[in-house]
This record gives sequence, structure tokens and C-alpha cells, in this order.
Amino acid sequence: QVQLQQSGPGLVKPSQTLSLTCAISGDSVSGNTVSWNWIRQSPSRGLEWLGRTFYRSRSEWSYEYAVSMKSRITISPDTSKNQFSLHVNSVIPDDTAVYYCARGSAGALDFWGRGTLVAVSS
Amino acid sequence: QSALTQPASVSGSPGQSITVSCTGTSSDVGLYNYVSWYQHHPGRAPKLIISEVNNRPSGVPDRFSGSRSGNTASLTISGLQPEDEAHYFCFSYRASSTWVFGGGTRVSVL
Repeated sequence: QVQLQQSGPGLVKPSQTLSLTCAISGDSVSGNTVSWNWIRQSPSRGLEWLGRTFYRSRSEWSYEYAVSMKSRITISPDTSKNQFSLHVNSVIPDDTAVYYCARGSAGALDFWGRGTLVAVSS
Repeated sequence: QSALTQPASVSGSPGQSITVSCTGTSSDVGLYNYVSWYQHHPGRAPKLIISEVNNRPSGVPDRFSGSRSGNTASLTISGLQPEDEAHYFCFSYRASSTWVFGGGTRVSVL
């Protein structure tokens, strides 16, 4: 059974960087047929897919980001710790949301973390 | 404003059947088979209940089913149970390596 454990601060100041980590058990971040995704949910934006990373081959990784976030977002795999991270730069109050990590497989998100509420406030 | 349109709420009595719709466009729901549905109880991790339009993962009760007609996907719950009261949302691939969600539907069991 795949389990995803999220960690990271619940409060970030405007203009700073939001950073969250998703630790994976029961699978490998380097798995060939899966992707590792970040999603967020807020009252103003609803559910929003932010981006994903997946392993291709020969130590090469692919990264895909939502167009609306592309200039501010980075998703990073960490094979040594079997986890992946989300970094959102220059946050504003509208980035306040519950952030989820999830595994992608066969076009669906089959395992999710429990979510982390991140507030952007001074 | 979500990319896929769902009704805000749907309700039914125990044992009844209900349907939740998810309307997109010919660039997402109507074009790709990567349409999935999720059940979400607040405070818990969302749970995949339908993948690839109409596939039910192992362990999901067979009262949950998915279908599609044109640009609209549908989730049907047959024989509604009290534990089915939750939020449900759809998710679809859209061209250019983008994925989109529905706004979510609150299902109430009367």
C-alpha cells in the first residue's frame, strides 16, 4: 500500500517561498510508470493541479507545470530520501490553500496525502 | 473558477440512485479517456473511485460507476448508502500536458 506523508510549514509570509515535502512509502519516486503530483484547493480557486514530475530513464526526469504557475513553481524529486518537494516562489495571500501530494498512475491520482493547510500572511 | 463544471450539490435517499455530472470540452473530457472521479471526506485524503472514464479500482464498491457522453462525464451511485455522503470531484487530462479538475459536488444522503 502506497502512503504519502506531507510535511512543511503552515504559515508563510508574502513574497517568501512556500516549501512542502511528500515522503513516499510503498513505492519509489523513480518508478517507471508513475508520476508525482502536487494539487491545491482553496475556496476562491477550487481544486487546481499544480504540476508533476516523473522518471524517464537514464537519470532523466520530466517536469510538467500548470501554465498559471509555471513562472513560480518547482517540483523536485529526491531519490536518496524517496520523496519529492514543492516550492512556490513569491507567494501572495491568494496562494493560501490546502496543498496535496498525489501519485499519478494510468491517468488518475490513485494515492493522496492528507493535505497541508498553508496560509500566506504577514 | 474550475475548468470542469459540476453541480454544487446532489442529494438522494438511501437506496436511491444519483448521478453527478462533469462537463468539459472537446479538448479534455470529450477527447481523452483519462477522466477520473474521487470521493473526499473532509480531513481525509481523497480516494480514487473511478479511473479512465469507467474503470473501478479494486476495493471500490460496484454501486459506483462512471460513463461519458460527448463532453460530459458522469458518476452514478446506485443504492445510495449513508457513508456515501461526501464531496466528489472529477479530473481530466487536457492537451499540452495539463490536467484539470471539476469544482466538486457535495452529495447528501437524506
